Amino acid sequence: GAVVSQHPSRVICKSGTSVKIECRSLDFQATTMFWYRQFPKQSLMLMATSNEGSKATYEQGVEKDKFLINHASLTLSTLTVTSAHPEDSSFYICSAPGPTDTQYFGPGTRLTVL
Amino acid sequence: AQSVTQLGSHVSVSEGALVLLRCNYSSSVPPYLFWYVQYPNQGLQLLLKYTSAATLVKGINGFEAEFKKSETSFHLTKPSAHMSDAAEYFCARSNTGKLIFGQGTTLQVKP
Repeated sequence: GAVVSQHPSRVICKSGTSVKIECRSLDFQATTMFWYRQFPKQSLMLMATSNEGSKATYEQGVEKDKFLINHASLTLSTLTVTSAHPEDSSFYICSAPGPTDTQYFGPGTRLTVL
Repeated sequence: AQSVTQLGSHVSVSEGALVLLRCNYSSSVPPYLFWYVQYPNQGLQLLLKYTSAATLVKGINGFEAEFKKSETSFHLTKPSAHMSDAAEYFCARSNTGKLIFGQGTTLQVKP
């Protein structure tokens, strides 16, 4: 089946630094990818839609300048958390629509900001 | 706003017992509906999906769900729970490609 990978799986950084998370579709192309964040014991909240060749579409309340999204190719989208702060600590998950209109999810990235 | 509601944030069953996880949607048009499972510190795995082809949908690991338009429900069931079924379960809807998730239900399976 379709596989989506994320890198890194876990990252710890200091407050004020930037962190880049990669999302790759390994065996299919994705012109669109989605980024979610999940706080402990909570559901997934859609942050933004990443579009290959154009700007990302952000959900209401998500800061565009804080969460930079770049859809560099048909198999890669990156999320950069700029000037990270402890409140940005969360589990970030990406997904991509694959065969049969099914969303395939990456394994997630655990971000901890000290 | 169109949404998905999961009734019961925590469900506990004994091993071998019936599993029933509830999901209701709000929409004027029947959406695509999904059930996903998430194990700790992992991404989501698709259990099954409804895309209007059949109201009773069979998924992986013995799970199935029935779409009931009159009740705007899409409850997930499994006849006999296994210890490995303990996880977080999410109901989700999609009608433009984006997924909107319910709050999630933690399934505990007791030996």
